[in-house]
This record gives sequence, structure tokens and C-alpha cells, in this order.
Amino acid sequence: DVKVTQSSRYLVKRTGEKVFLECVQDMDHENMFWYRQDPGLGLRLIYFSYDVKMKEKGDIPEGYSVSREKKERFSLILESASTNQTSMYLCASRESSYEQYFGPGTRLTVT
Amino acid sequence: GEDVEQSLFLSVREGDSSVINCTYTDSSSTYLYWYKQEPGAGLQLLTYIFSNMDMKQDQRLTVLLNKKDKHLSLRIADTQTGDSAIYFCAEARGNEKLTFGTGTRLTIIP
Repeated sequence: DVKVTQSSRYLVKRTGEKVFLECVQDMDHENMFWYRQDPGLGLRLIYFSYDVKMKEKGDIPEGYSVSREKKERFSLILESASTNQTSMYLCASRESSYEQYFGPGTRLTVT
Repeated sequence: GEDVEQSLFLSVREGDSSVINCTYTDSSSTYLYWYKQEPGAGLQLLTYIFSNMDMKQDQRLTVLLNKKDKHLSLRIADTQTGDSAIYFCAEARGNEKLTFGTGTRLTIIP
């Protein structure tokens, strides 16, 4: 069974903290994605990666960075968390086929 | 515009058919998708349609594609309580990034 896992289901952080969200896939996929999901806005792409050490900005990269040191792991970093980054964060991976697999999501609250 | 658009809410009686609509933006999109998100979970691919098709049927699900109007719909026959979820349409643009709609929350009325 294909699997995308995220390090935390729920996370509470304070404004200004550095936050790491980890995502691991076990399918040897080259492509990995980070989205945030907000009510009424759907999923918006933050960053994606087509290969190890490679990253590209998505539609809303401001305030975020990413790291992909190994093929199976894609990390999302909030350098200095702010309250407007309170959201559900979803990781996904995909090979060249049509199906994109999602993790269960991390609900981040920044207070 | 740039957005993939969906209605935010739909309520349907159990046993009736549900029709969820989506308007996408890129006429060159190769694949169009429907994803389902159950409460507290990530997104799961329900079905997809290739852009050269008009219709695809898979058990209780029927996808209709109108390329001229850039309109995609998902029909769920005999809607059950387990169909309660948020449904997202998505299009694969250009380099195969997926662009998602806002999601439609489907509520089943007993």
C-alpha cells in the first residue's frame, strides 16, 4: 500500500518560532508537494520538488522554505511563524502517472 | 480567471443523486481529477478523466467533461451517508502541477 506520512497531526506553535513540518513517502516518487488548505480557498501550492535538492516555488511561497536532502523526505520550514500561517498543511507525492497521493495533513495553530 | 471554481456546499437526501460541478481554466489541461476528503483525513483520488474524453463511468460515479465550456461534473448515484465529505476538482496544467478548486462540502440528509 502506498504511503505518505506527516510527522504530526496537530501542532501548536508561538509567533516567531521556527517550525519544521516533515513528510516522508515510501513509493520512491520523484515529485513531492506541499499545500496549505484553508476553508473557502481550497488547496494552494506552496512549494514542490522534482528531485533531490531541487525545489520550485508554488503559488504562495512567501514565509516558507523547503528542504529535500533525500528522495523520500520533503520538509516544509516556517522560518518565523505568524498567525496567518495557521492552517492545514498537506504533503503529496507523485510519480509520472496520473495519481497524486496525499498525507493525512498537519493542522498547525500559531498563537 | 485563474481559479478553478466550485460551489462551497451541497446538501442531498440519502438515496438521491448528487451532482458536484466545477469550472476549470486551462483548455490545455491534460487530466482532470476528482478527489474526496473525509473528515480529519488527506485527499484520496476518486476518479479522473483524460481531456479527450467526454464521459467516464465507474460504478456509482459518472464524470462529465464539457471542454467547450471548461465544465466538469461529478455525479454520485444513490448517495449514501458515507459519501459525506469535501470533494475537490483539480486540473493538471502545463508541467503537471495540479491546481485545485475550493472544494464542495457534500452533506447527506437522512
